[in-house]
Amino acid sequence: AQSVTQLDSQVPVFEEAPVELRCNYSSSVSVYLFWYVQYPNQGLQLLLKYLSGSTLVKGINGFEAEFNKSQTSFHLRKPSVHISDTAEYFCAVSLNAGNMLTFGGGTRLMVKP
Amino acid sequence: GAVVSQHPSWVICKSGTSVKIECRSLDFQATTMFWYRQFPKQSLMLMATSNEGSKATYEQGVEKDKFLINHASLTLSTLTVTSAHPEDSSFYICSAVAGFDTEAFFGQGTRLTVV
Repeated sequence: AQSVTQLDSQVPVFEEAPVELRCNYSSSVSVYLFWYVQYPNQGLQLLLKYLSGSTLVKGINGFEAEFNKSQTSFHLRKPSVHISDTAEYFCAVSLNAGNMLTFGGGTRLMVKP
Repeated sequence: GAVVSQHPSWVICKSGTSVKIECRSLDFQATTMFWYRQFPKQSLMLMATSNEGSKATYEQGVEKDKFLINHASLTLSTLTVTSAHPEDSSFYICSAVAGFDTEAFFGQGTRLTVV
């Protein structure tokens, strides 16, 4: 079975500051890794995913994540956040390209002016 | 990306009544749809996996007689919450995939409030 741990339930940050949202996973087999964003009362939107290849993955809205196999991590980063980035962010793993996702507990990013 | 539409986006119902939530893939055929439940300020928990034309597979602890799932066509899956109670109040989200090893696309969610 797989599990995902998002170490921070909330991350407050000032606008234009950099941010890192942490994600660690546990699995006995190789997995695919995803980051999703959820705005209030909405579904999930895919930010980026790691399936194979380069460990640095670039996504939408200026986000990127780095897959670190030795540390079983997939931290999400953005060099300069905007107020509009305020949302809930979920890290997830899957045994294939996107089905049967196992989600972490979520991190609420709160961008302050 | 592909579009998945969920309807209704919110619903309020009386305790004891049943509520049906629809999940439609608008521009692709979804061989599999997934239903998730999300409590306030918590993560998404997979409730069941629905394959077109066959019975849904429920996760451990999910009552299949209470949460009826039907996937009668390649573009529509429905979740019916039967005899709803206040503890069923939650945010329900569906996702759909075109094939086994393809990306999942999410609906916008349905907020159910049982009073």
